[in-house]
Amino acid sequence: EVQLVESGGGLVQPGGSLRLSCSASGFIFSMHAMHWVRQAPGKGLEYVSTISSNGGSTYSADSVKGRFIISRDNSKNTLYLQMSSLRTEDTAIYYCVRDWATGLELVWLPWFDPWGQGTLVTVSS
Amino acid sequence: EIVMTQSPATLSVSPGERATLSCGASQSISNNLAWYQQKPGQAPRLLIYGASTRATGIPARFSGSGSGTEFTLTISSLQSEDFAIYYCQQYHQWPPLTFGGGTKVEIK
Repeated sequence: EVQLVESGGGLVQPGGSLRLSCSASGFIFSMHAMHWVRQAPGKGLEYVSTISSNGGSTYSADSVKGRFIISRDNSKNTLYLQMSSLRTEDTAIYYCVRDWATGLELVWLPWFDPWGQGTLVTVSS
Repeated sequence: EIVMTQSPATLSVSPGERATLSCGASQSISNNLAWYQQKPGQAPRLLIYGASTRATGIPARFSGSGSGTEFTLTISSLQSEDFAIYYCQQYHQWPPLTFGGGTKVEIK
C-alpha cells in the first residue's frame, strides 16, 4: 500500500523557520516526482513546490519562492520542505503528494496521486 | 498563470440524482485536467486525469468530459459518500499548477 506520512508541522512565530518531512513507503520513491500542496483553514488547494525524481529539477510557487526549499533523500525515501521567513499567510495544512511521473519526461504533465494526510503549520505570534 | 474557475460554488442534490460540476480554464489546456474529491477532515483523492480517465478504484458513476477551456465532472447517481468538495486542477502549463476554487456538493 502506498503511504505518505508528513511530520514536522507546528506553531511558529512570524519570521521563523520549520522543516517538514514526508516519509514514503509502498512504492519506489526514487522513480516518482513529488510535490507539496497546501490548504489554508477553510480554503481551497494551493500549489507550493515540486521536485523531480532525481532531485535535479525543482519548481516553486511565486508566493514561496526564495523562502521555501524542496529537497529529497532517495536513500531515506523522504521528501522535505524547508520553510523560512514564515508569514501568517503560510498557515495551512501542508500535503505531500506523489506524481505519477518521474519528472524526467520530455513533456511532464503532473497530477497528484496519492496525497498524504497532511501536517498543520500555524504561523502566529 | 492559468486561472481555473469552478461553478457552482455549492450544488444541492438529492441522493440518487445526477450532479454536474463545471470547470473552466482561462486559456486552452487541451485535456490536461484532473479532478479531486475531498471529504471533511480528509486529504483530497484523485478521481479523474486526462479530463476523462478514471483513476484506479474510482466508481463508474464518476465521469469527466471536455477539452480546451470547458470541462465537466458528472456523478450519475449520487451516493451518500459522494457529498464532498470537488476540485479541478490543470497541468498543461506550469509552474504554477493551479486549482479551481472547488464545488461543494451537499445534500438537498
